[in-house]
Amino acid sequence: GENVEQHPSTLSVQEGDSAVIKCTYSDSASNYFPWYKQELGKGPQLIIDIRSNVGEKKDQRIAVTLNKTAKHFSLHITETQPEDSAVYFCAASIQAAGNKLTFGGGTRVLVKP
Amino acid sequence: GAVVSQHPSRVICKSGTSVKIECRSLDFQATTMFWYRQFPKQSLMLMATSNEGSKATYEQGVEKDKFLINHASLTLSTLTVTSAHPEDSSFYICSARWGQGITDTQYFGPGTRLTVL
Repeated sequence: GENVEQHPSTLSVQEGDSAVIKCTYSDSASNYFPWYKQELGKGPQLIIDIRSNVGEKKDQRIAVTLNKTAKHFSLHITETQPEDSAVYFCAASIQAAGNKLTFGGGTRVLVKP
Repeated sequence: GAVVSQHPSRVICKSGTSVKIECRSLDFQATTMFWYRQFPKQSLMLMATSNEGSKATYEQGVEKDKFLINHASLTLSTLTVTSAHPEDSSFYICSARWGQGITDTQYFGPGTRLTVL
């Protein structure tokens, strides 16, 4: 089955700096890659996603890139703010196979004011 | 985005009792919902896929007789933890599948914290 590795496990950045989280996946058939933000005691919130027919997607301060050949995808957060502090999860799935998500281990991001 | 609710948000029960958790899609119909379990400081682990009108599909290692799933309508799925024990204490989160094709995605509920004494 699919295996998703996520790095780093923790990331501390100064407010205003950029944060980058990287994920690799094992199943070349995976074609959907969402990113979720989870605050303490809450459910994951979808922040951005990308599909395999696109190499890059941007939404304000958040961008995601996908390299299908290398089987890795990354989340980029620019101009970080304290409210960006949370745990971020990447995931991968095969949409035609029921869209079952396999999650990475998570990255705890701390933005220091 | 689509809204998914869960009830209750927290539950504390005695060992041996059963607990039911509800997952609702509030502003859309979901033929497929998913149930996850998350232990402290760990990632989400898929327990089962809940399909409206049919039996749930469980992941390997998840006891279907212990974690009963019912998807009775297009907006409601329930997870019942039967004969709960302290090791079942966890954060249970559901998600609902929304959209089709290029809009196909999952939205998550706020989670239910289960504590078994």
